[in-house]
Amino acid sequence: GENVEQHPSTLSVQEGDSAVIKCTYSDSASNYFPWYKQELGKRPQLIIDIRSNVGEKKDQRIAVTLNKTAKHFSLHITETQPEDSAVYFCAASGSYQLTFGKGTKLSVIP
Amino acid sequence: ETGVTQSPTHLIKTRGQQVTLRCSSQSGHNTVSWYQQALGQGPQFIFQYYREEENGRGNFPPRFSGLQFPNYSSELNVNALELDDSALYLCASSPSGRRDTQYFGPGTRLTVL
Repeated sequence: GENVEQHPSTLSVQEGDSAVIKCTYSDSASNYFPWYKQELGKRPQLIIDIRSNVGEKKDQRIAVTLNKTAKHFSLHITETQPEDSAVYFCAASGSYQLTFGKGTKLSVIP
Repeated sequence: ETGVTQSPTHLIKTRGQQVTLRCSSQSGHNTVSWYQQALGQGPQFIFQYYREEENGRGNFPPRFSGLQFPNYSSELNVNALELDDSALYLCASSPSGRRDTQYFGPGTRLTVL
């Protein structure tokens, strides 16, 4: 089955700096890669996703890149704000089942 | 538009008991997936329901079962509860034709004593 590795497990950045979270996946059949933000005690919130026919997607301060050959995908957050502090999960899917990474706890220091 | 809702919010059970968790899908969504999220971990796929039938299952034993109703709402049933079943149970709904695009509910926190 699919295996998703996520790094780093924790990340601290100064407000206004950029943050990058990286994931690798094992199943070359995976073709959908969403990112979720989960604040403490709240539901995972879908923040951006990318399909395998696209190499990069951007939505305001967040962007995702995908390298199918290397089986890598990354989340980039620019101009970080304190409200970006949360746990971020990457996931991969080849059909309907999402396989999640273990999460990255992002802390944005004011 | 109404988002995904789940009930109850919290539940405490003892080992060996049975539990039923409920999920109402987002308006216009016809697919429901269930996940178990242990503390400090990413969600783990349990199963997905589409057109009232189980449409794929993760690595969970048969004592985890489910249903989907004609209005697309769903139930997760867990029999013979074990201590390790303590977790946040999340359901997610998906729009027609995009079963991998999943929007989560707030979850049910299950504690097994």
